Amino acid sequence: SAVISQKPSRDICQRGTSLTIQCQVDSQVTMMFWYRQQPGQSLTLIATANQGSEATYESGFVIDKFPISRPNLTFSTLTVSNMSPEDSSIYLCSVELADSYEQYFGPGTRLTVT
Amino acid sequence: AQSVTQLDSQVPVFEEAPVELRCNYSSSVSVYLFWYVQYPNQGLQLLLKYLSGSTLVKGINGFEAEFNKSQTSFHLRKPSVHISDTAEYFCAVSDGHNNAGNMLTFGGGTRLMVKP
Repeated sequence: SAVISQKPSRDICQRGTSLTIQCQVDSQVTMMFWYRQQPGQSLTLIATANQGSEATYESGFVIDKFPISRPNLTFSTLTVSNMSPEDSSIYLCSVELADSYEQYFGPGTRLTVT
Repeated sequence: AQSVTQLDSQVPVFEEAPVELRCNYSSSVSVYLFWYVQYPNQGLQLLLKYLSGSTLVKGINGFEAEFNKSQTSFHLRKPSVHISDTAEYFCAVSDGHNNAGNMLTFGGGTRLMVKP
């Protein structure tokens, strides 16, 4: 298994500002994923972040709005840029261990934009 | 692309009663199926998974699920629930790996509410 931590756990931000969310894993992993969970809804994949390559974004998500960094095999960041109230969500990172189809999730970052 | 339907958004049940949470997915040649649980203010925890082999899969906390290929279903069951099982349950499906990893598609979730 993998232990994943996220910072911050929650934040309240003003519209027009940006927030960077950190995801730290206790072991080296190739595949990392970022999800958004809007209030009362399911999870939607934002992008896949593999070390050594550009992040792959899903339809409806763009790099200018959600830039991602993946500097090494244990760490990634997601930035929510130029925030609006519609960005209020829980943002979760997950990892997939090598030779496994299982994803392990972090505790999430609860973002409120006012 | 896969789609996952969880037929019940909420399931109220009394403690010690059995429960079934339903999940259907769009058909594909082969799929991998998962159930995750999300307790309040926490991330997702894997309950169980089906990759291949026996269609009856046992997971943690006394949960089990049965893969039914002909009905494209993967319903989650527990014979006797506890108050502590109150949580949101998500069914997820994957077609398997591609260059971007094991892409999971999640259902809308089912809120299990266990009453004393």
